[in-house]
Amino acid sequence: EPEVTQTPSHQVTQMGQEVILRCVPISNHLYFYWYRQILGQKVEFLVSFYNNEISEKSEIFDDQFSVERPDGSNFTLKIRSTKLEDSAMYFCASSLQDTDTQYFGPGTRLTVL
Amino acid sequence: AQSVTQLGSHVSVSEGALVLLRCNYSSSVPPYLFWYVQYPNQGLQLLLKYTSAATLVKGINGFEAEFKKSETSFHLTKPSAHMSDAAEYFCAVTLNTGGFKTIFGAGTRLFVKA
Repeated sequence: EPEVTQTPSHQVTQMGQEVILRCVPISNHLYFYWYRQILGQKVEFLVSFYNNEISEKSEIFDDQFSVERPDGSNFTLKIRSTKLEDSAMYFCASSLQDTDTQYFGPGTRLTVL
Repeated sequence: AQSVTQLGSHVSVSEGALVLLRCNYSSSVPPYLFWYVQYPNQGLQLLLKYTSAATLVKGINGFEAEFKKSETSFHLTKPSAHMSDAAEYFCAVTLNTGGFKTIFGAGTRLFVKA
C-alpha cells in the first residue's frame, strides 16, 4: 500500500540554524500539507500546497517557513532560522483531491537546542 | 471563526463498554469532517470521514460517527471498547475558505480498563 514517507525521523539542531524536513508524498496525489504537533498539544495546520504554489497557510507559517516541491517527488519544509519554540513533531500529508482523505507520514521530530 | 471542539481531554472506559468521543465544529461553510487516531509515537491514521453523503459513517476497527448538522456535531462511537483502542483521537474539519485548510481538535485520550 502506498504511503507517505518522511526523513529524517529525528532532527536535532542549534537555535538559529536552518533545517529542511523532507517528505515523499503518495505518487499520484496532488495536494500536499505540513502540520506540526508540539509535545502534548494538538495538531496544527501550517500550509497546503497545490500546483506548485501555496493554496492556504496559517498564521504560524511566517516568513521563517517555506515549502518547495523541487523535483516532482519530494515536498520539503524549510525553517530558515530555528527557534526553541519550533521544537515539535512535523507531519507531512498528501491527498488526491482537496477534500479527500489526507494520508499522513510518520513525522519528523525536530528538537531545537 | 472556524473551530473544532472535543469535549473531554481524557475519557476512560472499561473493556467492552461503549465508547463515545464528542466533537463539535463551528463553520460558516459546509464542512468535511474526519476522525483520526494516533497511537503513541506514531503518525495519524484515518478512522473515518464525512463528505456530504450518508450522515452515519462507518470506519475502521468498528468505529462509526454521525454527522448532525442541527447540532454541529460529529461524535465518534464504538459499541464495545477493546484494549487496543487506547490512543489519542482527533476530530478534524476541512474547510474551503478560498484554499482548503484542515483544523484539528485538541484531541481526546482514550483509556481502556481491563
